[in-house]
Amino acid sequence: TQLLEQSPQFLSIQEGENLTVYCNSSSVFSSLQWYRQEPGEGPVLLVTVVTGGEVKKLKRLTFQFGDARKDSSLHITAAQPGDTGLYLCAGRLQSGTYKYIFGTGTRLKVLA
Amino acid sequence: GAGVSQTPSNKVTEKGKYVELRCDPISGHTALYWYRQSLGQGPEFLIYFQGTGAADDSGLPNDRFFAVRPEGSVSTLKIQRTERGDSAVYLCASASGAGGADTQYFGPGTRLTVL
Repeated sequence: TQLLEQSPQFLSIQEGENLTVYCNSSSVFSSLQWYRQEPGEGPVLLVTVVTGGEVKKLKRLTFQFGDARKDSSLHITAAQPGDTGLYLCAGRLQSGTYKYIFGTGTRLKVLA
Repeated sequence: GAGVSQTPSNKVTEKGKYVELRCDPISGHTALYWYRQSLGQGPEFLIYFQGTGAADDSGLPNDRFFAVRPEGSVSTLKIQRTERGDSAVYLCASASGAGGADTQYFGPGTRLTVL
């Protein structure tokens, strides 16, 4: 059973376009993280959100945590080829546990 | 300041053999995680250490898998009687504390292939 479903699974867009990646679950998370992973490397943390409804911005990336803390989105404005990679969300199910559940991943390719 | 390192980077073994995968975390990090990532999937949690003890080993798939961290720094993931289904990239991550929102720093992974 996959607790965190990401959509779309694959995305290929032109440089300059906007895109949104979704991370959905029926479970409530105490915190949720977004990572980007490149081939042959481990994931690199982009952001952590902990409060329902929280919005965080990181340059052209905007992250939102759902009000009920069951879902999250990542929006990229004016995508660039350097944004290419595998985007992963990861949630921690409840406070007091350190187990992170990773999503299925969204593979993004930005064409120049 | 070195990051998390993992050795070997690649390991090819035969079905039924024993393998050990090593993780060197960032110095001073008390938390250490092991994950397994199959092709096209997100990482799957295996085990979490806080110091020397395994605080959560609920992700270990069966008793062929075992991990240790005897001095609270380097960790070794041990797999007995390997099976073809064990083929994956094994990732290690360390974090500075026990907080749930701590940043996990991942190593590059060990790619295990079981023939």
